[in-house]
Amino acid sequence: DAGVIQSPRHEVTEMGQEVTLRCKPISGHDYLFWYRQTMMRGLELLIYFNNNVPIDDSGMPEDRFSAKMPNASFSTLKIQPSEPRDSAVYFCASSLLQGQETQYFGPGTRLLVL
Amino acid sequence: DQQVKQNSPSLSVQEGRISILNCDYTNSMFDYFLWYKKYPAEGPTFLISISSIKDKNEDGRFTVFLNKSAKHLSLHIVPSQPGDSAVYFCAARAGGTSYGKLTFGQGTILTVHP
Repeated sequence: DAGVIQSPRHEVTEMGQEVTLRCKPISGHDYLFWYRQTMMRGLELLIYFNNNVPIDDSGMPEDRFSAKMPNASFSTLKIQPSEPRDSAVYFCASSLLQGQETQYFGPGTRLLVL
Repeated sequence: DQQVKQNSPSLSVQEGRISILNCDYTNSMFDYFLWYKKYPAEGPTFLISISSIKDKNEDGRFTVFLNKSAKHLSLHIVPSQPGDSAVYFCAARAGGTSYGKLTFGQGTILTVHP
């Protein structure tokens, strides 16, 4: 298995622009998670899905952030409009219902908003 | 509200010696704890875990200790190797409706010198 795939790996954009991050989870995994990593706050859970349904979005910073999972093999995290404080590394992770404590992370998308 | 805290941002150790990484938590509902390891430009990878019904779990050079009364856990690496140099994240899970959700600490940068 190729593992969790994220694209793009790097994104540089200007303030006010829309940013879309993409994730393909490991095939057969029931859970999908979006995290943000910053120096100050470490790894923060933004939202997670179970069987394509959002379960907990309490970590989404504000309405500028939205996430979708239209099918079991694809999810997006969108920021519109982007701001410089959104600059961070965004990770996607997936896990199985059994052993779901063990989450498998993608390589991350490094976002820089100028 | 940081429910999982890693108070040491960094740790430097000589090769062959013991590395001890610490983690404190505040939520008494946490029942499962994990350590993840992260290399630059990669996503975190699962290292070792422990259930709240145990106070120790060992896997090769890695041992995790849990002190529930103190709400403290630690990761011991013996002997430390240069390849262990990475960021280490402590994570915790609460049971019940939060079953799929992990809360991470800020991370500790471990540097093992040859």
